Amino acid sequence: QSALTQPPSASGSPGQSVTISCTGTSSDVGGYNYVSWYQQHPGKAPKLMIYEVSKRPSGVPDRFSGSKSGNTASLTVSRLQVEDEADYYCSSYAGSNRYVFGRGTKVTVL
Amino acid sequence: QEQLVESGGGVVQPGKSLRLSCVASGFTFSSYALHWVRQAPGKGLEWVAVTLYDGSNKYYADSVKGRFAISRDNSKNTLYLQMNSLRAEDTAVYYCARPITSHYYYYLDVWGEGTAVTVSS
Repeated sequence: QSALTQPPSASGSPGQSVTISCTGTSSDVGGYNYVSWYQQHPGKAPKLMIYEVSKRPSGVPDRFSGSKSGNTASLTVSRLQVEDEADYYCSSYAGSNRYVFGRGTKVTVL
Repeated sequence: QEQLVESGGGVVQPGKSLRLSCVASGFTFSSYALHWVRQAPGKGLEWVAVTLYDGSNKYYADSVKGRFAISRDNSKNTLYLQMNSLRAEDTAVYYCARPITSHYYYYLDVWGEGTAVTVSS
């Protein structure tokens, strides 16, 4: 159950787009379409932003989108806003009723 | 309003035990799988355990298997995490969390505010 690989940081100016990658293996990300993404502001609980690779929960802006190719999933935040500055974590089903998170990516809005 | 409230955290010595609780409100507790997720200070999220809706099936991360036990009391709308043989590396904020719908076992959409556990002598 190794953590999924994410870049430690990403940044963009307001209005720009930023894409965060999440790399796993064929035993997790590549083996199932059960990838989700979470946003976490400092001192707060995580918030579900994307589930089942590309679905958005009610209330999540369509500026957030997800995709997957092979063993790598991606989260794209378009039209960046100041409030998007946060930590983002990917997560995947890893078989045998276990789940794994990524190490997290800090997104900075310049 | 769907809500989860954790309690039971604190400071405990290595090798000792602690039991966390998570009380739910605002939804049909017995219809949902429920998870514990933890976050060490300054670190990322780590999935800990899940119990399915009726408590008949429970699954654990390798890091806690054999030491932690997840359970639930559907009559009390309460989720538990019994933590035994605690280690320094178990120091974290522990969150309980619920999937987005009862159809799913995962995709954690409702989270508590967390309860902090510190393992230190």
